[in-house]
Amino acid sequence: DGGITQSPKYLFRKEGQNVTLSCEQNLNHDAMYWYRQDPGQGLRLIYYSQIVNDFQKGDIAEGYSVSREKKESFPLTVTSAQKNPTAFYLCASSTRDEIALLTDTQYFGPGTRLTVL
Amino acid sequence: EDKVVQSPLSLVVHEGDTVTLNCSYEVTNFRSLLWYKQEKKAPTFLFMLTSSGIEKKSGRLSSILDKKELFSILNITATQTGDSAIYLCAVKLLAGSARQLTFGSGTQLTVLP
Repeated sequence: DGGITQSPKYLFRKEGQNVTLSCEQNLNHDAMYWYRQDPGQGLRLIYYSQIVNDFQKGDIAEGYSVSREKKESFPLTVTSAQKNPTAFYLCASSTRDEIALLTDTQYFGPGTRLTVL
Repeated sequence: EDKVVQSPLSLVVHEGDTVTLNCSYEVTNFRSLLWYKQEKKAPTFLFMLTSSGIEKKSGRLSSILDKKELFSILNITATQTGDSAIYLCAVKLLAGSARQLTFGSGTQLTVLP
């Protein structure tokens, strides 16, 4: 089955520790995204990547880092510099094909809930 | 700066009520507007609206876009407890805009039995 997987589902970390969230897709999508969602709120864009070995900062990139070494994978590292990391993190992917984009949308993974103790 | 604003932020109704959720936007390079439903995990896609005045319908849900006034509404008739969720509105930008989607803050809908 094609889709996006995120792991782990729940993650706990102590203050001052870095932690990496996994996102993998087998949809053959070029573009991948990381969003953060706080309780009762919408999605805010952290980082996005249109192709392998390239990525751009979104609206709230401070304290986060990403890599895109493979098309299928876009891991997000939450560093100790992120002041308020407790949140729900969603990964998404989409095609970059302009014809497909007329009717297609982003596909989301199931999310990782990060709690900093 | 691109902006998508949803209202109300939260809404509590009883089963059988009809609700209208609002989404207004101010963006450059508008292509289309999307509605998602988010229960506990990943948002699930509901509608994509590109043209003004054409209603999209799926069961008890319907949505319409007004590109002149820059807003969209999502209607849910005969609400059920299973409609309880966060409803997210997002605007898709034109080709060449790598970010693709700008989201509103969502409307938290609670349907009581």
